[in-house]
Amino acid sequence: AQKVTQAQTEISVVEKEDVTLDCVYETRDTTYYLFWYKQPPSGELVFLIRRNSFDEQNEISGRYSWNFQKSTSSFNFTITASQVVDSAVYFCALSEAQAGTALIFGKGTTLSVSS
Amino acid sequence: AAGVIQSPRHLIKEKRETATLKCYPIPRHDTVYWYQQGPGQDPQFLISFYEKMQSDKGSIPDRFSAQQFSDYHSELNMSSLELGDSALYFCASSLQGSRYGYTFGSGTRLTVV
Repeated sequence: AQKVTQAQTEISVVEKEDVTLDCVYETRDTTYYLFWYKQPPSGELVFLIRRNSFDEQNEISGRYSWNFQKSTSSFNFTITASQVVDSAVYFCALSEAQAGTALIFGKGTTLSVSS
Repeated sequence: AAGVIQSPRHLIKEKRETATLKCYPIPRHDTVYWYQQGPGQDPQFLISFYEKMQSDKGSIPDRFSAQQFSDYHSELNMSSLELGDSALYFCASSLQGSRYGYTFGSGTRLTVV
């Protein structure tokens, strides 16, 4: 069975601080996909990144970076120089490769960035 | 680019009433998924359809049913509504499973009073 664990329920930081959101996953499949979504107070789910299980390269996109380590089944997300607009709930999610398979979410981490 | 369209955006119903939510996936996407997100919760998978056939089932109550039509749009029907059904309902679509990712609609906020 698949499972995604986001151990941090809430994180509060001050603007310009760096923050890392942790994500640990479980799956028996060898081919799977990992995702991060942002949900601002307005409620929509904003796609941030997708990574497949064969690609362990870390990725950087502006202030965002992701560290994927299969050895520890982790897919952590770092925001550098956080801003107030980063305040949101962040979800890590996992899906298997088979067509029609649902995306399974972690419980989410609420990030609050104060000025 | 076209996105996933959900209607209505907001819906208020009374207990024991029936509600129908609609989802129009991205053109050529072959799979539709329905999720329920209660206040302060993560999105919970309800049901999915691949090429108009039910492909996966999650924690969908027996009072709920869904289908995907020949034009690939999907409807989630909820009967005998309860206060606990108040939630944000998301529809998502994908092409060939998770290979190319999932696109979520803006959601329908259902309030049961």
